[in-house]
Amino acid sequence: DTVLTQSPALAVSPGERVSISCRASEGVNSYMHWYQQKPGQQPKLLIYKASNLASGVPARFSGSGSGTDFTLTIDPVEADDTATYFCQQSWNDPRTFGGGTKLELK
Amino acid sequence: QVKLLQSGAALVKPGASVKMSCKASGYTFTDYWVSWVKQSHGKSLEWIGEIYPNSGATNFNEKFKGKATLTVDKSTSTAYMELSRLTSEDSAIYYCTRTRWIPYYFDYWGQGVMVTVSS
Repeated sequence: DTVLTQSPALAVSPGERVSISCRASEGVNSYMHWYQQKPGQQPKLLIYKASNLASGVPARFSGSGSGTDFTLTIDPVEADDTATYFCQQSWNDPRTFGGGTKLELK
Repeated sequence: QVKLLQSGAALVKPGASVKMSCKASGYTFTDYWVSWVKQSHGKSLEWIGEIYPNSGATNFNEKFKGKATLTVDKSTSTAYMELSRLTSEDSAIYYCTRTRWIPYYFDYWGQGVMVTVSS
């Protein structure tokens, strides 16, 4: 299976820019997607196919990358962005998720 | 608006089975695949499999073949997942999702069903 590696946690101050990385163990083309999950809630789609903003998602969120290295960027970070962020690939079978990056606000 | 409403939490005994539902609204149910995702320990996510309501066609993660059975009722726009021979490893939250075909991402999620396997 394709393993997606994310750093476990990040802490930033409101107003700053943060980049969350996701590295795939093998190439996934541009078939990488990002989700936000707040405590006690279901995940929510943020970015699909590496860089496409999902409907209703603020333009503060953006995605980039291809192949094996991908980045979700939030600029500027707001207090409401406290959540865990997951990457997910759909190029290789089975579809797999990263372990998640917990974003905390200072 | 698109909604996926899942059934309530379940407490089941080891070795038993559990069947959960996912009622879709706000879109044409037969036009989109429905996937199921497992979240263990409040952290990691695993794709279980998917079903195409129009035909009943399914695809599974090899890990969940024999564990999960996916069905639909087109008349009520409801998808079902049954998990069999439950063990403590099956205790988790299970989500249904609407799948956008190619490039296969999950654009809407149900609220999740917490399954606890305990004697």
